[in-house]
Amino acid sequence: KQEVTQIPAALSVPEGENLVLNCSFTDSAIYNLQWFRQDPGKGLTSLLLIQSSQREQTSGRLNASLDKSSGRSTLYIAASQPGDSATYLCGQKVTFGTGTKLQVIP
Amino acid sequence: GAVVSQHPSWVICKSGTSVKIECRSLDFQATTMFWYRQFPKQSLMLMATSNEGSKATYEQGVEKDKFLINHASLTLSTLTVTSAHPEDSSFYICSAGGAYNEQFFGPGTRLTVL
Repeated sequence: KQEVTQIPAALSVPEGENLVLNCSFTDSAIYNLQWFRQDPGKGLTSLLLIQSSQREQTSGRLNASLDKSSGRSTLYIAASQPGDSATYLCGQKVTFGTGTKLQVIP
Repeated sequence: GAVVSQHPSWVICKSGTSVKIECRSLDFQATTMFWYRQFPKQSLMLMATSNEGSKATYEQGVEKDKFLINHASLTLSTLTVTSAHPEDSSFYICSAGGAYNEQFFGPGTRLTVL
C-alpha cells in the first residue's frame, strides 16, 4: 500500500526566501503525483500535476519535481510571499501526505 | 481550471438525523468522483469512489450503509450520512477526476452533529 510522507510538518520563513517542500512515497509505480495547497477550513487547490512520464512541472514561482526511482518529489517555491502561507499536500487519489504547514512572515 | 462545488459548505444537525452533501463538477463531466474525510491536522482519508451509473466502491472500514453514495449523473455525486452521530462530525471533501487522473477538489463541507 502506498504511503506518503511529507517533511517538514511545519515551516516558517521570512518573506522573499526560496524554499523546498519534500514528499516521499513508498511505491515507485505511482501513476502521477499532485501538489495541492489547503487554506484553513477550505478544500484543496491543485497547484501542479506531474505525470509519471514527466520529471518536473512549473507554474509561476512554483516548480515541482518527481523522481520515481528514489520515491521523492519536491515543491520549490521561489521568492515566497505571505499569501503563500497555507498547508501544502502531495499525493494522488487514494493516498495523501499529512502536509507541510507553511508560514511566510512579512 | 475545472471547478468542483459542494453544498452545503457547513451543516449542523441533531444526532440521529440524516444529512446529504452534494458534489458537482461545474464545467466538466466526471465519471468518477471521490469522497474523503479529513480530521483536524490530519490528511485526507479516502472513503469511497463514486462511479456514475454503478455502485460506489468503499474503502476498508467505511460502512456503506452509513455513508450512502449516489452518482446520479456525470456532474453530480451525493453523500448521505445516515443516522448521524457526534463521531461523524468531520470535514468532508469530494474530488472529481479530470484528464490524466488530475483531481479537482471541492471546497469541503463541515458537518457538526450535536
